[in-house]
Amino acid sequence: NAGVTQTPKFRVLKTGQSMTLLCAQDMNHEYMYWYRQDPGMGLRLIHYSVGEGTTAKGEVPDGYNVSRLKKQNFLLGLESAAPSQTSVYFCASSYPNPQQYFGPGTRLTVT
Amino acid sequence: GENVEQHPSTLSVQEGDSAVIKCTYSDSASNYFPWYKQELGKRPQLIIDIRSNVGEKKDQRIAVTLNKTAKHFSLHITETQPEDSAVYFCAASSEGGGADGLTFGKGTHLIIQP
Repeated sequence: NAGVTQTPKFRVLKTGQSMTLLCAQDMNHEYMYWYRQDPGMGLRLIHYSVGEGTTAKGEVPDGYNVSRLKKQNFLLGLESAAPSQTSVYFCASSYPNPQQYFGPGTRLTVT
Repeated sequence: GENVEQHPSTLSVQEGDSAVIKCTYSDSASNYFPWYKQELGKRPQLIIDIRSNVGEKKDQRIAVTLNKTAKHFSLHITETQPEDSAVYFCAASSEGGGADGLTFGKGTHLIIQP
């Protein structure tokens, strides 16, 4: 039982490049989330999904897209990376228990 | 949307003393309030949570209190130890199942002085 895993752990992009972050969970959770964490800002919700095939915008969705084609996977895409997207990205899952389980994070640097 | 304020941003206490971190929230519909501990370079880990139908919850040296009328909740750590040093985040959710995600405070850096 791996819990929540994220791929990759680290990534450096140049401005304008694209990439996809993968989140996988093996706990059969219905809900999945993407947060970003910046120094002094806490965690902020980017997008979330309440089930396979559904997605919704969170607090800071601009510049990101997501897809939930399979219940266990939640993908976060950056179509044209910007330096402002330099951050640590955390995926989480939950439900039916409201407790959210977090992945180990992806550290993204955009130069 | 929900707004969560957390104070203080930094808290330094002597080992063995108590630490208190306070949060306020704005959305009266919020009904789930977790606290997370995050060590440097690690993921947030849930340490305790409380729902709006309960005023207080305790787990060994950690307790959380909730005042729905005033819309604030607090984390209490007693008999602090060096391993309690970390950043602590409070959060709130307006869905019992957390469907719309958590709104986090900005965090408190707790420093335990030997």
